[in-house]
Amino acid sequence: AQSVTQLGSHVSVSEGALVLLRCNYSSSVPPYLFWYVQYPNQGLQLLLKYTSAATLVKGINGFEAEFKKSETSFHLTKPSAHMSDAAEYFCAVSVSGTGFQKLVFGTGTRLLVSP
Amino acid sequence: GAGVSQSPSNKVTEKGKDVELRCDPISGHTALYWYRQSLGQGLEFLIYFQGNSAPDKSGLPSDRFSAERTGGSVSTLTIQRTQQEDSAVYLCASSLETNSPLHFGNGTRLTVT
Repeated sequence: AQSVTQLGSHVSVSEGALVLLRCNYSSSVPPYLFWYVQYPNQGLQLLLKYTSAATLVKGINGFEAEFKKSETSFHLTKPSAHMSDAAEYFCAVSVSGTGFQKLVFGTGTRLLVSP
Repeated sequence: GAGVSQSPSNKVTEKGKDVELRCDPISGHTALYWYRQSLGQGLEFLIYFQGNSAPDKSGLPSDRFSAERTGGSVSTLTIQRTQQEDSAVYLCASSLETNSPLHFGNGTRLTVT
């Protein structure tokens, strides 16, 4: 069964600092991987997705993630944090064989950005 | 509207009452999903619709939960005889096709007292 683990329920950075949010996955088949962002009182918004093409995936708002099969990781990064990046971030894997996007989500990481 | 619309945005109900949560997907989106977001549990898949049929309802927690979709558009999630553990944010998402990106609504926050 597919699963994802997000290390750290909270990550704090200063404005302008590197953002690194960690995600490790477990999958017996090549996975489809996603990062979603959730702002307060809003639904989830897709940041980026990996679907077995390029291993370095660029998303919206300057975020990117690298798929590393050897490490079973899909960490999310941004070179320079902005105050508006403060939100909760979810990593997800798509359950294979379903023919649709049955996503298994991690428990989320709340990003705090201080001035 | 431009996005997925869910109503009500907040619902407080007494234990044992039935509730209905509504989702209006983006026009033309054939796939519709319900997820539940609970404190400490993260996001859980509940049910998936393709058109009006539900090929996968494996995530529904119990037979108190049911959902339907009519006209390939609006979906209703019904919870009968609500329990306190049903308190959560219920999120609806739709996508143009099966493997297109999901667009989420803002959710319905359900509180069972």
